[in-house]
Amino acid sequence: DAGITQSPRHKVTETGTPVTLRCHQTENHRYMYWYRQDPGHGLRLIHYSYGVKDTDKGEVSDGYSVSRSKTEDFLLTLESATSSQTSVYFCAIGNPIDSPSTDTQYFGPGTRLTVL
Amino acid sequence: AQKVTQAQTEISVVEKEDVTLDCVYETRDTTYYLFWYKQPPSGELVFLIRRNSFDEQNEISGRYSWNFQKSTSSFNFTITASQVVDSAVYFCALSEAGSSNTGKLIFGQGTTLQVKP
Repeated sequence: DAGITQSPRHKVTETGTPVTLRCHQTENHRYMYWYRQDPGHGLRLIHYSYGVKDTDKGEVSDGYSVSRSKTEDFLLTLESATSSQTSVYFCAIGNPIDSPSTDTQYFGPGTRLTVL
Repeated sequence: AQKVTQAQTEISVVEKEDVTLDCVYETRDTTYYLFWYKQPPSGELVFLIRRNSFDEQNEISGRYSWNFQKSTSSFNFTITASQVVDSAVYFCALSEAGSSNTGKLIFGQGTTLQVKP
């Protein structure tokens, strides 16, 4: 199994509070991704990173920010959580540039976030 | 625009039946990759297969097989002699390589497969 951990695994918070989710990898992959999973939508990309301090927006980035200060860590922050951000959040890692012919994204175990 | 459609929301079969999960994709890129992931009730996402757009060979792995047809933009997944352990949500996904290969995945909505004993 790819070495990807997410913390916390479960969190309940209140509307308006800031929340930070952490993704940690031990595989030294350049790319890291944050997705959210909601019923009827599959998984949708929030933000991704292609290197330390290099990030870009995904399909559903509004209300989220990210930071990557080290290769192994990718943080997802909800500045002011809303009920619409209740979801399961998955982190993934990959090497599409370095290994275009063999790259596969591997996913962390997920974080279940509930915003009341 | 890129899109992945899994029209079957839920499928229920009896153990030992064969079942096919459909996946249709849209992309303008000539170089792309298609994936299938399994999400069992425990919630993790398990990688099953990766196929690039230049390789239309069908693939078989044990009871699993995949049929890739560029002419119909489909990448269907068949489970032969299904088992209860196959019960899960299955996702088809697309990654466009193109000029900026970022590896971003576009997922279908998922198909929930229930295999009854």
